[in-house]
Amino acid sequence: GAVVSQHPSWVICKSGTSVKIECRSLDFQATTMFWYRQFPKQSLMLMATSNEGSKATYEQGVEKDKFLINHASLTLSTLTVTSAHPEDSSFYICSARWQGLETQYFGPGTRLLVL
Amino acid sequence: GNSVTQMEGPVTLSEEAFLTINCTYTATGYPSLFWYVQYPGEGLQLLLKATKADDKGSNKGFEATYRKETTSFHLEKGSVQVSDSAVYFCALSDPHSGGGADGLTFGKGTHLIIQP
Repeated sequence: GAVVSQHPSWVICKSGTSVKIECRSLDFQATTMFWYRQFPKQSLMLMATSNEGSKATYEQGVEKDKFLINHASLTLSTLTVTSAHPEDSSFYICSARWQGLETQYFGPGTRLLVL
Repeated sequence: GNSVTQMEGPVTLSEEAFLTINCTYTATGYPSLFWYVQYPGEGLQLLLKATKADDKGSNKGFEATYRKETTSFHLEKGSVQVSDSAVYFCALSDPHSGGGADGLTFGKGTHLIIQP
């Protein structure tokens, strides 16, 4: 089946630094990738949708200058948390989808802790 | 806006028991409905889906029927196994809702624990 990986699986950083999370589709070309955020005991919240080669579409309330998304190829999307603060600590999950298909395939998630 | 409400856990059952996890939704359009499962240490996996009213999704002994009249998509399994222990998420996709295209709207997840 379709496999999506994320790297790193967890990261600890100091407040004020930037962190980059990678999402890769390993065996298919992902025309669309999604980034979600999950707080403890909460549901996954969609942050943004990115289509290969174009700018990401952000959900209301998500700061595009803080959460930079790049989808430069059909197998890689990156999420950069800029100037991270403790309130950005969360579990970030990506998913990927073939063009025209509805099913999303999810990565295992990246746990970010900002000290 | 769209929302998904599912029963909160943890839900603890004995092996071979009957399982129901309730899920109801609100949506502005005609959504597709999904159940995803997350096993410990792994990413979410699609368990089953239904794209229109009265459709029944099924997989691995699990079933869910898209009930438009009650806006529900309850997950059921006749006889659970220890290996079914996981977190189950109900979700919807509503391309006509605007905003983030057709990203998924998730419920909070239900942690299922099956005891031998």
